[in-house]
Order: sequence, then structure tokens, then C-alpha cells
Amino acid sequence: DADVTQTPRNRITKTGKRIMLECSQTKGHDRMYWYRQDPGLGLRLIYYSFDVKDINKGEISDGYSVSRQAQAKFSLSLESAIPNQTALYFCATSGVREGLNTDTQYFGPGTRLTVL
Amino acid sequence: EDQVTQSPEALRLQEGESSSLNCSYTVSGLRGLFWYRQDPGKGPEFLFTLYSAGEEKEKERLKATLTKKESFLHITAPKPEDSATYLCAVPILNDYKLSFGAGTTVTVRA
Repeated sequence: DADVTQTPRNRITKTGKRIMLECSQTKGHDRMYWYRQDPGLGLRLIYYSFDVKDINKGEISDGYSVSRQAQAKFSLSLESAIPNQTALYFCATSGVREGLNTDTQYFGPGTRLTVL
Repeated sequence: EDQVTQSPEALRLQEGESSSLNCSYTVSGLRGLFWYRQDPGKGPEFLFTLYSAGEEKEKERLKATLTKKESFLHITAPKPEDSATYLCAVPILNDYKLSFGAGTTVTVRA
């Protein structure tokens, strides 16, 4: 079984709809992240959470919100989807401290979201 | 501003034709540099972490090296299954967040 799972894997929706993307992990990690990936722009951080009570905005949080329901679950919501939110969305987790405030992030399989 | 730049954007190789990918970074106080492999439509897969200049790590046909300003991912005698996008990333600010480069897409023809 995969350590980091995301649902749904694909979603097509219309402008103005509310969408929730879910992420679950069985790695026992404390830290969880949401990224979006667009062609030519690489991975950009939307939100991150270092534990259940700690949630922080990333570089592109406008139009998104998150919820950390438990250590293993981190959801991303688009309150009112717009076409430029069409992208690949990835969840990642980390939790084994390897250096000074550094650890390896492990990614889920992604959700392909299309907003029409 | 911390920045990660990868070059080239795309690399087309013949099977067996060795080459190198570059990742240059402008962060103060490097706390690690990460390499990932990403197949189309899938999540990035962790390959290596390098922590200090001069460090090298290998996995099958891949070898990553690190200097004070850049890292190289060397692909020796590549095979078609090495075709993927290779991403590098560095921690930014003083926490666990990563800044990713845009990636190098490698295509290996048989």
C-alpha cells in the first residue's frame, strides 16, 4: 500500500464550485505539505502544517484553504474554483529530521484538477 | 532571494550516451540539496540528499555531486527507463520548506 495517498486522482469541475482534495499518510510523519505543479513553473508550495495545531501559508495560498484533521490527514479546499487553478496538486509529508531543520519530503501520486 | 535554477530544461539522449544535469542555487547557509525523479503524471520520487560540498551519492546509473554553488546529476550509459523529469530542491529560510527548480526533462531513445 502507498504511504501517501491522495483522493480524488482526477477531477473536472466548473468555475465557482467548491472542491476538496484529500491526503492521507501512513508514514507517521508530523509535517505535511500541499503543492501545485504547472508546466514550466515547477512545484510551488500552497500550505504546510508542521503538526495538527500548526498551519502556515506557502507562496501561493490565495484562493485555497486547508484543514489538518489529524496527524495523518491534510485536506486542501478551493472555495470557489477558477480556471487558473487547473493544475496537478501534490501532497507531501516529512518527519525524520536529518539535519538542521531539514528532512526528506515524500510525495503522493497527485490529483489532476481541471476547472472549466 | 533564495533561488534554484536547473539546466538544461530538456535533454534528449541516445541510449548509452552519458550526460549531466545542473542545479545551481543561491541560498545562504545550505542545509541540504535534494534530487527527485518524476515520471509523467506521478509524484516526485526521492533520489538523493547531499549536505556538503564534495559529497557524492550514487544509485544505479545516477550520481549526484555537490559544490558550494551547484549540484550535478550525472547519468552514465542511460537507458530508456531513465527517461523522466529530474527535480532539485533546497530548504529555504530556517525551516523545513523546500524550494524546487523547474526541472530537467530527460528523454533517452533506444
